[in-house]
Amino acid sequence: AQTVTQSQPEMSVQEAETVTLSCTYDTSESDYYLFWYKQPPSRQMILVIRQEAYKQQNATENRFSVNFQKAAKSFSLKISDSQLGDAAMYFCAYRIRPVAVTGTASKLTFGTGTRLQVTL
Amino acid sequence: GAGVSQSPRYKVAKRGQDVALRCDPISGHVSLFWYQQALGQGPEFLTYFQNEAQLDKSGLPSDRFFAERPEGSVSTLKIQRTQQEDSAVYLCASSLLDRNSNQPQHFGDGTRLSIL
Repeated sequence: AQTVTQSQPEMSVQEAETVTLSCTYDTSESDYYLFWYKQPPSRQMILVIRQEAYKQQNATENRFSVNFQKAAKSFSLKISDSQLGDAAMYFCAYRIRPVAVTGTASKLTFGTGTRLQVTL
Repeated sequence: GAGVSQSPRYKVAKRGQDVALRCDPISGHVSLFWYQQALGQGPEFLTYFQNEAQLDKSGLPSDRFFAERPEGSVSTLKIQRTQQEDSAVYLCASSLLDRNSNQPQHFGDGTRLSIL
């Protein structure tokens, strides 16, 4: 079974500074996707960034970037130039990528989350 | 619609009552997922539909949980004889037809269920 571990229940960062959120995962699959989702108090899960395991290049989306270490099964999120609006719960998630087209979709497996506070 | 719509936003029920939670996916989205998010935890998968077919219900915690999507659009998650451990946020997500797990899932705001 696949598991996702986030070892930091809470993190704090000052506005305009950089923060890194950690995530490790365990899987026996060779191909998969990894995600970071943001969940503000409104509860809606918002996709922040996605990484395909078969790609060596780390994904970036504006101020958000990842450090993907496949051998170590590590997937950290770096937020640069932090803003007050970045304050939220952040969840790391995993999804199997089938080798062949299966006609069906796989579920997301989430970690327990990291609460990010942004201070002035 | 513009996004995934879930109702009610909050539901309070007494232990033993039956509840029904509704999910209205984005128009044209064939794939629909239900997740359960306990307090302080990440969401956990419950079940998956492709159109009206329930292709995966491996995450349903007991036979008290039942989901349907009879016309391949709106889905209802029903919980019978509710218990306190059913208290959680129930999230619905939809995506375009997803044959290769490649499509992003779009989430609703969830229903917060509290069992007294």
